[in-house]
Amino acid sequence: AQKVTQAQTEISVVEKEDVTLDCVYETRDTTYYLFWYKQPPSGELVFLIRRNSFDEQNEISGRYSWNFQKSTSSFNFTITASQVVDSAVYFCALRDSNYQLIWGAGTKLIIKP
Amino acid sequence: GAVVSQHPSRVICKSGTSVKIECRSLDFQATTMFWYRQFPKQSLMLMATSNEGSKATYEQGVEKDKFLINHASLTLSTLTVTSAHPEDSSFYICSARVTGGVQETQYFGPGTRLLVL
Repeated sequence: AQKVTQAQTEISVVEKEDVTLDCVYETRDTTYYLFWYKQPPSGELVFLIRRNSFDEQNEISGRYSWNFQKSTSSFNFTITASQVVDSAVYFCALRDSNYQLIWGAGTKLIIKP
Repeated sequence: GAVVSQHPSRVICKSGTSVKIECRSLDFQATTMFWYRQFPKQSLMLMATSNEGSKATYEQGVEKDKFLINHASLTLSTLTVTSAHPEDSSFYICSARVTGGVQETQYFGPGTRLLVL
């Protein structure tokens, strides 16, 4: 069965702190894709990153970084020096062989000023 | 990045009326679009997969006669909620699939908030 687990329901930190959002996935596919999306209070889903299963290089984009570990089936997301504008719900997702996305439950991130 | 629009962004209607929601890919062609429903503080629930020129594929438990999907062109898919009832009130989100191997990604519209009175 394919599954995405985001165990952290809600995280609250003070601005400028670093924060890591966890994502653990299950799949029997040897080739798969993982995604992170951000959903701010407005509701619109914003694409953040796509990662292929055969590319384990970690990625950094400004204050955002992603750690992909196939050995532990994890694809964690770190925000460095968090800002209030980072407050949102973050979803991790796994693309299945039918091109559908299997969604995690989401982690609500609250950045306090 | 690819842009997907949705219209309307918000709609309030009376029970028993039908509501049509449009999803457009603005700068690319999408042979496949997806319709999701999201309840407050919950994750997205896939309702159906819409393929251009063919019938939509509905997820288990989703009534195809209630949620009519039409994907008549490569840039437009519509979701019609027929005879809407208060329990249909939700946030409806569409996405369009950008194909191309490693570039495969779903881009999402801004969503439509439906309130049925």
